[in-house]
Amino acid sequence: ETGVTQSPTHLIKTRGQQVTLRCSSQSGHNTVSWYQQALGQGPQFIFQYYREEENGRGNFPPRFSGLQFPNYSSELNVNALELDDSALYLCASSSSGGPGANVLTFGAGSRLTVL
Amino acid sequence: AQSVTQPDIHITVSEGASLELRCNYSYGATPYLFWYVQSPGQGLQLLLKYFSGDTLVQGIKGFEAEFKRSQSSFNLRKPSVHWSDAAEYFCAVGLWEYGNKLVFGAGTILRVKS
Repeated sequence: ETGVTQSPTHLIKTRGQQVTLRCSSQSGHNTVSWYQQALGQGPQFIFQYYREEENGRGNFPPRFSGLQFPNYSSELNVNALELDDSALYLCASSSSGGPGANVLTFGAGSRLTVL
Repeated sequence: AQSVTQPDIHITVSEGASLELRCNYSYGATPYLFWYVQSPGQGLQLLLKYFSGDTLVQGIKGFEAEFKRSQSSFNLRKPSVHWSDAAEYFCAVGLWEYGNKLVFGAGTILRVKS
């Protein structure tokens, strides 16, 4: 089975720009979550998508938005980038039922640098 | 509010020595608990999980963890550390009533000296 894949792996943006990060979930998984990991910190929950709808959100402003597509892949969009948005963005997928439910499988992340 | 504390930012152990990484959580209900490992430039790999039942859980790579409700702890252990275990380790609490959200600790960086 394929794991969680994210793209791009690295990118550099300037303040005020917009960025889109992409994630393909693991085969058989229907739920996608996004996490932000700032340098030296643990990952922080941004939001989760299930059945193409947001299903839980952390303490992030509305300029962080997402999408989930019918094939369960997902995008994270960040508008009006700020310097503090520089971080590793992790995508995780999971299934909503069965023995693997509630166990997140993480991708390798997209490292965003905002200058 | 739910929180996870990993008191040790860095730990250094000799290869072959035993290891214990500490994790304490604050959560009102019975938690789902996880340990993940992250190598430099990599994503998170699940080491083990506790949902219910036996409080001593076995994971991959020879790791185990023990859930102690009275101490709100879920410490990770390994009897003999290998140089390849050098990485950052994260403890996490699963909050399923909040949409499958994981709350992570700040991590413990493990260094292994030969």
